[in-house]
Amino acid sequence: DAKTTQPPSMDCAEGRAANLPCNHSTISGNEYVYWYRQIHSQGPQYIIHGLKNNETNEMASLIITEDRKSSTLILPHATLRDTAVYYCIVRSTMNRDDKIIFGKGTRLHILP
Amino acid sequence: KAGVTQTPRYLIKTRGQQVTLSCSPISGHRSVSWYQQTPGQGLQFLFEYFSETQRNKGNFPGRFSGRQFSNSRSEMNVSTLELGDSALYLCASSTGMGGELFFGEGSRLTVL
Repeated sequence: DAKTTQPPSMDCAEGRAANLPCNHSTISGNEYVYWYRQIHSQGPQYIIHGLKNNETNEMASLIITEDRKSSTLILPHATLRDTAVYYCIVRSTMNRDDKIIFGKGTRLHILP
Repeated sequence: KAGVTQTPRYLIKTRGQQVTLSCSPISGHRSVSWYQQTPGQGLQFLFEYFSETQRNKGNFPGRFSGRQFSNSRSEMNVSTLELGDSALYLCASSTGMGGELFFGEGSRLTVL
């Protein structure tokens, strides 16, 4: 079973910020939140990850709530090329027995 | 550095046959994980290999197997193919202690 819950789809206007939510209410203390995206059946691409602090890189920002039970991926200025399926997963760097469970992700549509 | 390479990219088989897919990880990565992606089920974890040992396994029948060689290259095998095995098979490499996954472009299998 997936450890994360995401809405199946979202729309966002081009040029606006896209905010993609993810619930991970059973996350444990040593698990990181990772975000990937997959564009039209290519291999998924890493976006960003974090443990408990907010993170930002050249692609996106990741906001993790204080209780770590949910997070939001922010694409600050969405373009048509950001149309993709976005996956949120939790993954431990300590537990070697964890299965890597992706779930079905959020299909993000960027509207021109 | 070179990315993750999967071969073959496309293949067609008939029911009852077997297939072997190959994955060459990024140099220095010791972990290779495999995934099956179908339209209805999304990305599903098959198994993970680390230093030639299977470390995790998803919920797939025994017809799905894999191995990893001393150079970290990995193969997966599906025996007695069924129509439902038609899918995109993705592999990902990582350092092995959690961390970012780097995906290949996948092998698209069609079973007739």
